[in-house]
Amino acid sequence: DQQVKQNSPSLSVQEGRISILNCDYTNSMFDYFLWYKKYPAEGPTFLISISSIKDKNEDGRFTVFLNKSAKHLSLHIVPSQPGDSAVYFCAASWGTSGSRLTFGEGTQLTVNP
Amino acid sequence: EAQVTQNPRYLITVTGKKLTVTCSQNMNHEYMSWYRQDPGLGLRQIYYSMNVEVTDKGDVPEGYKVSRKEKRNFPLILESPSPNQTSLYFCASSSNTEAFFGQGTRLTVV
Repeated sequence: DQQVKQNSPSLSVQEGRISILNCDYTNSMFDYFLWYKKYPAEGPTFLISISSIKDKNEDGRFTVFLNKSAKHLSLHIVPSQPGDSAVYFCAASWGTSGSRLTFGEGTQLTVNP
Repeated sequence: EAQVTQNPRYLITVTGKKLTVTCSQNMNHEYMSWYRQDPGLGLRQIYYSMNVEVTDKGDVPEGYKVSRKEKRNFPLILESPSPNQTSLYFCASSSNTEAFFGQGTRLTVV
């Protein structure tokens, strides 16, 4: 069973507009959520995270929102840039956060100039 | 510079021929993991290690072995590879708050 789901395999947006990537989870034990970005031929790189005690975390153009009651989180990128084009993975963990990450399937974001 | 180094980056092998993918990290992290990435499935954890000589199964451990004899190294061993282990493999080294990934090993088993 997929405990972390990204239901949109792909998303296409225009440069300068907002990108919204969504992620749902089923395990209420998860207490830490992360977003990773992956370019082809490279490993995933950490983008932003949020603890379950918060509902928003912002870092520059990237903001993650967490709705615990809906078991839903989203990543907002404003404004989107062509260099943001990549696969974005949502991940979740509990307890000792770094060691056991459960990933979603990934969403391919394409930002068109 | 913080690094997770995997070798080899690309490998084509035949069914049944034992192979090892190496992974080392320079961040003195206690936690290390192996993941495989397959289309439509995201990254799935194969094995993880919380410290030297402490390893445990992840979500898809069948057909794999690992060892953690020293903190910096966490090799992935395929004793008898099969075609369904054709995949993209990532090693990760973790602090309490995030995981750092290697560049990946693309394995093809024919």
